[in-house]
Amino acid sequence: EPEVTQTPSHQVTQMGQEVILRCVPISNHLYFYWYRQILGQKVEFLVSFYNNEISEKSEIFDDQFSVERPDGSNFTLKIRSTKLEDSAMYFCASSGRPTGNSPLHFGNGTRLTVT
Amino acid sequence: DAKTTQPNSMESNEEEPVHLPCNHSTISGTDYIHWYRQLPSQGPEYVIHGLTSNVNNRMASLAIAEDRKSSTLILHRATLRDAAVYYCILRVLLNNAGNMLTFGGGTRLMVKP
Repeated sequence: EPEVTQTPSHQVTQMGQEVILRCVPISNHLYFYWYRQILGQKVEFLVSFYNNEISEKSEIFDDQFSVERPDGSNFTLKIRSTKLEDSAMYFCASSGRPTGNSPLHFGNGTRLTVT
Repeated sequence: DAKTTQPNSMESNEEEPVHLPCNHSTISGTDYIHWYRQLPSQGPEYVIHGLTSNVNNRMASLAIAEDRKSSTLILHRATLRDAAVYYCILRVLLNNAGNMLTFGGGTRLMVKP
C-alpha cells in the first residue's frame, strides 16, 4: 500500500538555525498538508498546499515557515530561524481529492528538537 | 467549525468488541465523519469515514445515527495493537483546493490482555 514518507525521523538543531523537513507524498495525490504535535498536546494544522500554492494556513504558520514542492515528488517545510517552542513532531499528509470523501494519509513524522 | 465530543479514555478486553462514541450535534449536511487513530510514536492513521449510511471496512465499522448528531466506531475484536488514541473528526470543506482536519483530544483506548 502506498505511503507518505518523511525524512529525517529526528532532527536536532540549535535555536536560530534553519531546518528543512522533507516529505514524499503518495504519488498520485495532489493535496498536501503539514501538521505538528507538541509533546502531550493535540495534533495541530499548519498549512495546506495545492497547485503550487498555499490554500489555507493556521495562525501558527507565520513568516518563519514556508512550504515548497521543489520537484514532482517532494514536499518540504522550512523553518527559517527555529525557536525552542518549535520543538514538536511534524507530520506531512496528502490526499487525492479536496472533498470530505477523501481521507488524509499521514507520514510517521519528523521529531524536531530545538536546543 | 462543527465540534466533536469524545470520552477521554476507554478500556477494553482483548478479543472483545469496542464501541467508541462521538457526539457532533452541530454537524452540517455536507460534513463527512472521519475517524483516525494514532498509535504511540506514529502519525495519525485513517480508519474509516462516512456521510449518512453505516460503513464497514477491514479495520472497523462506523455506525451513524439517523439525525447524524452522533456516531460510533466499532472495533469488532480488539487486539493489543488497537491501543491508540482515536479521533472523531468532521471533514470541513474550506474551498476547492483542499481542506483540513481539526483534531480534538480523542479517546485513548486501552486494551487489556
